[in-house]
Parts: sequence; C-alpha cells; structure tokens
Amino acid sequence: GESVGLHLPTLSVQEGDNSIINCAYSNSASDYFIWYKQESGKGPQFIIDIRSNMDKRQGQRVTVLLNKTVKHLSLQIAATQPGDSAVYFCAETAMWYGSWGKLQFGAGTQVVVTP
Amino acid sequence: EAGVTQFPSHSVIEKGQTVTLRCDPISGHDNLYWYRRVMGKEIKFLLHFVKESKQDESGMPNNRFLAERTGGTYSTLKVQPAELEDSGVYFCASSQSTPGRGDAFFGQGTRLTVV
Repeated sequence: GESVGLHLPTLSVQEGDNSIINCAYSNSASDYFIWYKQESGKGPQFIIDIRSNMDKRQGQRVTVLLNKTVKHLSLQIAATQPGDSAVYFCAETAMWYGSWGKLQFGAGTQVVVTP
Repeated sequence: EAGVTQFPSHSVIEKGQTVTLRCDPISGHDNLYWYRRVMGKEIKFLLHFVKESKQDESGMPNNRFLAERTGGTYSTLKVQPAELEDSGVYFCASSQSTPGRGDAFFGQGTRLTVV
C-alpha cells in the first residue's frame, strides 16, 4: 500500500548545528504536506506546511523542501536548540470532496539535541 | 482561545471493559478527526467528522469502536469491549473548512492502557 515513511528513526545533533529530517512518500495523489513536532505528553504540533505546487517554503528557523520527482520531503531546522528535541512527523493529505481528508503520517524521527 | 481538549488524559481499564474518550474541538471547526498511535507504530487515522456526519471512517479497526458527534460539537469514541491491542494514545484533531489550510490542531491525547 501507499505510505509515508521516514529514513532515520533517531537523529542526534549538536546544539547550534542545522538538522535535516527526511521523509519519503509514495501517494502521488497527495497534494499537501505537513511537518508536526511532538513533545513528550503532548499532541502533534504544526510546524510548517507546503502545497504540491511549491518546492520550498520557509518559516522561522525551519525550511521544508518538496521534491515531487522522487517523492521526497525534508525539514531543515537552522541553529538547532535544546527545545527542538522532540519527535518529528511528516504527514500527507489530499483534498477529498472539497475538504481536507485524513492525514497519513510517517513513523516519526526522534531528534536529540546535545549541548 | 482554547485548543483541542481531550478527556481523560489517561485511562487504565481491564480487558472486556468499556471506555469512552471525549474530544472538544476548537470552536467553529467543522472537521474533527480521531487518530491513534499504538506502541512503536505511526499515528493512524481512525475517522473524520464534518459537523455531525461521518465523512470517512475507513480507519476504524472493527465494530468494537463507536464514534459519535451529536450536534456537531464535541465527539466521543467508545471502545466496547476493550482488548489488549487497543492500548495506545488516542488523538483528536480539528480543522476549519478552509480549503487553503489543511493542517489540523491536535489535542494532547488520551493514553489508554488495557490490562
């Protein structure tokens, strides 16, 4: 079946360095992608999104890149801070009867920021 | 403005018992979703309400799970009878019906433990 998956289950990064989290997707019908951050004991928190008609979008310290040719999504975090330690999920969805349908999540990547 | 709230935050029940989870979405959000994450697995979609109607319930695992959203406001998810494999974290999310944004706001989750 089609799925969204992550290449690395755990990513260790030194404070101040840049982080890159990767995600592969296979559903060609998906046209909207989201990155979520989940801290312990909390629900997923929206970080940044991107539509399929874009290949790059920037936020505050974060950048999402979308490569539709190889069905690859990445999240870049600049100057990683201890507060960035969390599990990061990519998710995909598509318009469904005029409304956004279900999100399909990847397995998640644990980011650990070391001093 | 209050976010998505879920009750209880944690529930421990015996196999065969019944548990009801509740979700209060963000006011004005027509879309309400239930997801769950079982140990070591990715977050999986359960179902999607648009107001009080079930738009997509393709993720409901079996007929032991019953979701309702009477009046199009809060929603309940009942598991009856609960089995060991139902243990996990159940998330509720809500979103607006604005085509431009598909991101859903998540609650903190209900951790269900079936013993």
